[in-house]
Amino acid sequence: EIVMTQSPATLSVSPGERATLFCRASQSFSSNLAWYQQKPGQPPRLLIYGASTRATVIPARFSGSGSGTEFTLTISSLESEDIAVYFCMQYDNWPPTFGQGTKVEIK
Amino acid sequence: EVQLVESGGGLVQPGGSLRLSCAASGFTFTNYAMTWVRQAPGKRLEWVSSISGSGANTFYADSVKGRFTISRDNSKNTLYLQMNSLRGEDTAIYYCAKVFQLWVPFDYWGQGTPLTVSS
Repeated sequence: EIVMTQSPATLSVSPGERATLFCRASQSFSSNLAWYQQKPGQPPRLLIYGASTRATVIPARFSGSGSGTEFTLTISSLESEDIAVYFCMQYDNWPPTFGQGTKVEIK
Repeated sequence: EVQLVESGGGLVQPGGSLRLSCAASGFTFTNYAMTWVRQAPGKRLEWVSSISGSGANTFYADSVKGRFTISRDNSKNTLYLQMNSLRGEDTAIYYCAKVFQLWVPFDYWGQGTPLTVSS
């Protein structure tokens, strides 16, 4: 199965600044990658699928990119409500597998 | 509004059984595959099992194959996970999730129900 590795483990960003999160795959695939946001006590929320397509009602400050083994989630201007754990999931190869998550906090 | 509400978690002894339920609303349940995903303490999310909209097709992670059974009752808009021969490593929060397209990805998740397997 494909192993997904996220970096950094924790990201401290000032409000209004850009946050860049990385997800690396153990083997290459095209674009079958999703990003999720999980706030404490809440279920995961789909942000991005197909590596770069925003899910329904996801703000435009969230964007995804990448292919092959390197994928990126960018929050263009961090807001306080974006404090959460973000994790990636590949669904190109069965079974779908998840990264270990990146915690985004306010600097 | 899509809502998924899991129930049935709890404390069970090793070797025991438990059935989780997930009540769905806000979408045409029979039109979508559904899935169970779990997260053990301090570990990453792990896909457990998926079932087609009709219930005719099912898939399982190797770690639960032969022990867990996924099913659904489309007349009740409810998803189930029957878990037998439970082990300590099955301790986790279990989430049900709605599938977005065909089998993946998963677009809506429930709040999760905790399972602890311990003597």
